[in-house]
Amino acid sequence: EPEVTQTPSHQVTQMGQEVILRCVPISNHLYFYWYRQILGQKVEFLVSFYNNEISEKSEIFDDQFSVERPDGSNFTLKIRSTKLEDSAMYFCASSEYRMNTEAFFGQGTRLTVV
Amino acid sequence: GNSVTQMEGPVTLSEEAFLTINCTYTATGYPSLFWYVQYPGEGLQLLLKATKADDKGSNKGFEATYRKETTSFHLEKGSVQVSDSAVYFCALSAKETSGSRLTFGEGTQLTVNP
Repeated sequence: EPEVTQTPSHQVTQMGQEVILRCVPISNHLYFYWYRQILGQKVEFLVSFYNNEISEKSEIFDDQFSVERPDGSNFTLKIRSTKLEDSAMYFCASSEYRMNTEAFFGQGTRLTVV
Repeated sequence: GNSVTQMEGPVTLSEEAFLTINCTYTATGYPSLFWYVQYPGEGLQLLLKATKADDKGSNKGFEATYRKETTSFHLEKGSVQVSDSAVYFCALSAKETSGSRLTFGEGTQLTVNP
C-alpha cells in the first residue's frame, strides 16, 4: 500500500540552526501539505503546495519557513533559524486531488529545539 | 474562521463498550467533515468522511453522521476493541473559506481495556 514517508523520525537541533524536514509523498499525488502539532495542542495547517508553488499558507508560515520540491519525489520543509517554540511534531501529507479526497499523512518528524 | 471542538479526553472504556466522541464545528459555507485516527507511533489515517448534510461516514465499525442543524459530526462505535486504542481527530475542510486545508479538533485519546 502506498504511503507517505518522512525522515528523520526525530531531529534535535540547537536554537538558531537551520533544519530541513523531508517527505516523500505518494507518487501520483499532486497536492502536498505540511502540518504541525505542538505537544498538547491541535494539529495546525502550515502550507499547501501544488504545481511547484505554494497554494495556501497559514499565519504560522512566516519568512523563516520555506518549502521545496527539489526533484520528482521529495518535498521538504526548511526552518531557517529555529526557535524553542518550533519544537513540535511535523506531519507531511499528500492528496491526489484538492477537495473532498483523502489526505494521506506521514508518521511525522518530532523536532526538538534546545 | 473555521474551528472544530471535540469532547475533552482522555476516554477510557472496557472492551465491548459503546463509544461516542463528540465533535462540533463552526464554518462558513459547506464543509466536508472527517475523522482521522492516530495509532501509537504512526501518522494520521483517515477513518471516515462525509461531504454533505445527512451523509453518514462509516468504516471499521465506526460511524458518524453529518448534522448541519446541530453542526455536529459525532463518532460512534457499538463495541470497542483493545485495538481501537488511539487518538481520534475530528477535522473539516471548507473550500469556500480555507481552500484544501484541514482544520483539526484537539484530539481525543481513547484507551480500551480488556
